[in-house]
Amino acid sequence: EVQLVESGGGLVQPGRSLRLSCAASGFTFNDYAMHWVRQVPGKGLEWVSGVTWNSGNTDYADSVKGRFTVSRDNAKNSLSLQMNSLRAEDTALYYCARAKYCTGNTCLRSAFDIWGQGTVVTVSS
Amino acid sequence: EIVLTQSPGTLSLSPGERATLSCRASQSVFNTYLAWYQQKPGQAPRLLIYGASSRAIGIPDRFSGSVSGTDFTLTISRLEPEDFAVYYCQQYGSSPLTFGGGTEVEIK
Repeated sequence: EVQLVESGGGLVQPGRSLRLSCAASGFTFNDYAMHWVRQVPGKGLEWVSGVTWNSGNTDYADSVKGRFTVSRDNAKNSLSLQMNSLRAEDTALYYCARAKYCTGNTCLRSAFDIWGQGTVVTVSS
Repeated sequence: EIVLTQSPGTLSLSPGERATLSCRASQSVFNTYLAWYQQKPGQAPRLLIYGASSRAIGIPDRFSGSVSGTDFTLTISRLEPEDFAVYYCQQYGSSPLTFGGGTEVEIK
């Protein structure tokens, strides 16, 4: 079964750091670019970041650029999101998602065909 | 950044009726690279349509997408009980990738 499982969410104080992980299974992980998308409960979706299959390129939303770092370990079928200098507005459910139907050869611009169930990040003092 | 405006915010319809959802882009979407997703409470989004009009794997043919300029439309020909949900559009023609604010299709 194709599956993505996020972990690492929790309650963190403003200014602190948190690292999210996404474990992939059921498909050849290193064939796909991967992304993070977040959603404030009851609100819409916001793309956060993406990484190419070989980690050669990354992209970030302006709202997280310079604070968040996306990475992957293809040997472990794992995607990560290092989140530093967290703010209250980063509070959300964070999904990892598989890139599909890409534009260009990096797949940093794509639709998302497989999503995890998400991990909740709450930034509050 | 391309802003996607979805309308209406809420659509109240009965099973068997036709649903027409709109997504208007603030500027041209490169190669009409626009996707539609369905999200039910407590679930992750599900990809329905990509490239404005191509159905994703396993999506019933009652779901269809179309485009005219910067106006994108998702049509559900006959609503089934499981179709009542929130629908989002997303453009992936340029960075940053952006989503619309969503349309809720609720049971009338």
